[in-house]
Amino acid sequence: KQEVTQIPAALSVPEGENLVLNCSFTDSAIYNLQWFRQDPGKGLTSLLLIQSSQREQTSGRLNASLDKSSGRSTLYIAASQPGDSATYLCAFTGFQKLVFGTGTRLLVSP
Amino acid sequence: GAGVSQSPSNKVTEKGKDVELRCDPISGHTALYWYRQRLGQGLEFLIYFQGNSAPDKSGLPSDRFSAERTGESVSTLTIQRTQQEDSAVYLCASSPTGVGRELFFGEGSRLTVL
Repeated sequence: KQEVTQIPAALSVPEGENLVLNCSFTDSAIYNLQWFRQDPGKGLTSLLLIQSSQREQTSGRLNASLDKSSGRSTLYIAASQPGDSATYLCAFTGFQKLVFGTGTRLLVSP
Repeated sequence: GAGVSQSPSNKVTEKGKDVELRCDPISGHTALYWYRQRLGQGLEFLIYFQGNSAPDKSGLPSDRFSAERTGESVSTLTIQRTQQEDSAVYLCASSPTGVGRELFFGEGSRLTVL
């Protein structure tokens, strides 16, 4: 059974810092990795999708990497802003359904 | 519409009543998922539909829960004889044909069972 762990569970940083969120998984038989953000009381917004044949994807200040051999993915956020405050979730697609991590709650202070 | 649409956005019901939640996926998306998120917790998989294949119901927590999907369009999640522990946000997501495609979520239906 796929297990997905996100570290840290919570993170508080001042505005402008670069930061890294970590996600680890136990089953390397994945099709893709997807990072989401969730604002309080809202649904999930897709940030980045990495196919299993890829190693990273970039969108603006966000960069996500995937290392299947080590069972890890990282989300790098450059020059963090208060608007980045949210819960960040990683999810892996195995045979059919996405398996979600428990999330990292990020707070960026002005 | 452009995105995944869910209704109602909020539902308050009394214990023992039945509720029905609706999800309208993005047009053309053959895969549809239901997840549940209890307050302060992670996402819990409920059910997955892919085209005309038999749905994966492995996540449904009890026989009080059921879901249907008409072809590749609207899906309804029904909870019978609701209990207080059913209180949660129910999230629907859809994706294009094929495993491993990007998933798009609706805003969710918040269910409160009194």
